[in-house]
Amino acid sequence: GENVEQHPSTLSVQEGDSAVIKCTYSDSASNYFPWYKQELGKRPQLIIDIRSNVGEKKDQRIAVTLNKTAKHFSLHITETQPEDSAVYFCAGGTPGGYNKLIFGAGTRLAVHP
Amino acid sequence: EAGVTQFPSHSVIEKGQTVTLRCDPISGHDNLYWYRRVMGKEIKFLLHFVKESKQDESGMPNNRFLAERTGGTYSTLKVQPAELEDSGVYFCASSQRVSTGELFFGEGSRLTVL
Repeated sequence: GENVEQHPSTLSVQEGDSAVIKCTYSDSASNYFPWYKQELGKRPQLIIDIRSNVGEKKDQRIAVTLNKTAKHFSLHITETQPEDSAVYFCAGGTPGGYNKLIFGAGTRLAVHP
Repeated sequence: EAGVTQFPSHSVIEKGQTVTLRCDPISGHDNLYWYRRVMGKEIKFLLHFVKESKQDESGMPNNRFLAERTGGTYSTLKVQPAELEDSGVYFCASSQRVSTGELFFGEGSRLTVL
């Protein structure tokens, strides 16, 4: 069935360093790849997304890259800050239709001051 | 604008008992989803409503789970009888009919089955 693999499961960095989280997907029909951030005790919230007609998208300190041929996409966070500490989930889907998203298992990012 | 709300935030029950989780989506959102996260694993799709109709229930684990969305507004997810492996966080999410793709999540209902 459809699945999304996410690595690493945990990531610990020093404040100011970069963090990279990688995901691979199995469904060739997927064309929408969002990233959600879940802070402790809070709801998952969309932080950035990318569609299959774009190879890279950037929003301030976060960026996402997509390689459709290899079926993988990555989240890059530069100049990490303690408030970036959270669980990050990648997902794949086909919006415009029924918008069902398949999520990865999450990456717990800890940014140490 | 109010976000997606879920109730209860945490429920502790014994194996064999029944629990009903409730989700109120963002007003006007036709699409409503239920997801579940078992500790350390992926946020797993359970089912999808479009208004009051079940569009996709392929992720429902078994017939102990029953979801409803009468009137196309709030939704309930009932687990009866609960088993130990049902423990986890149940998330509800909603999105607009013509969606940009973003799902708006609730804070989740944590279910612990003892």
